[in-house]
Amino acid sequence: GAGVSQSPSNKVTEKGKDVELRCDPISGHTALYWYRQSLGQGLEFLIYFQGNSAPDKSGLPSDRFSAERTGGSVSTLTIQRTQQEDSAVYLCASSFRRLDREGNSPLHFGNGTRLTVT
Amino acid sequence: LAKTTQPISMDSYEGQEVNITCSHNNIATNDYITWYQQFPSQGPRFIIQGYKTKVTNEVASLFIPADRKSSTLSLPRVSLSDTAVYYCLVDGGATNKLIFGTGTLLAVQP
Repeated sequence: GAGVSQSPSNKVTEKGKDVELRCDPISGHTALYWYRQSLGQGLEFLIYFQGNSAPDKSGLPSDRFSAERTGGSVSTLTIQRTQQEDSAVYLCASSFRRLDREGNSPLHFGNGTRLTVT
Repeated sequence: LAKTTQPISMDSYEGQEVNITCSHNNIATNDYITWYQQFPSQGPRFIIQGYKTKVTNEVASLFIPADRKSSTLSLPRVSLSDTAVYYCLVDGGATNKLIFGTGTLLAVQP
């Protein structure tokens, strides 16, 4: 079946503009994650959804960042008034993860959206 | 949340066995250990997961000692295409926030 799909794959925007990044998780996956990866760096956790709920938003870097998930499926990460330091690859992952069970299904990642703010 | 520590980088040659160790001293009873592989311009992909002792699949083995405070990913007979960043992740379902460590950049030489 299809994996995690992210769009666009590349986005170039001017400083100060708003951008929306989209993630289509694997069908049936209950959990959805957003990570940010700057050039040559590791994975920075941004936010997690269980269903449509995001109980912990503390990973979002600033109030310019927001995310939503509708219908327990597609998620959108929005960055308002983009800054040059927002340039990075934004990765989405999904899984069958549940908090009430031991062991966890692995995360399935998309190939990311490369955001460049000029 | 168990923090993980890995070597930043490792070098190897084609055909050798490579062992990458991850330390997770404060691992909890419910935590599992999962390893991911990431190639440039791609998202990480699952390699192997284990709880204790040894797990083997078609691409790797995972060794976990009795105290579970570390784990070792073993890649048999690496090839150039195994050059990638390898991450270990410790997770027991107790938290939503899955924090990856720095990862290990494995460079395989001809």
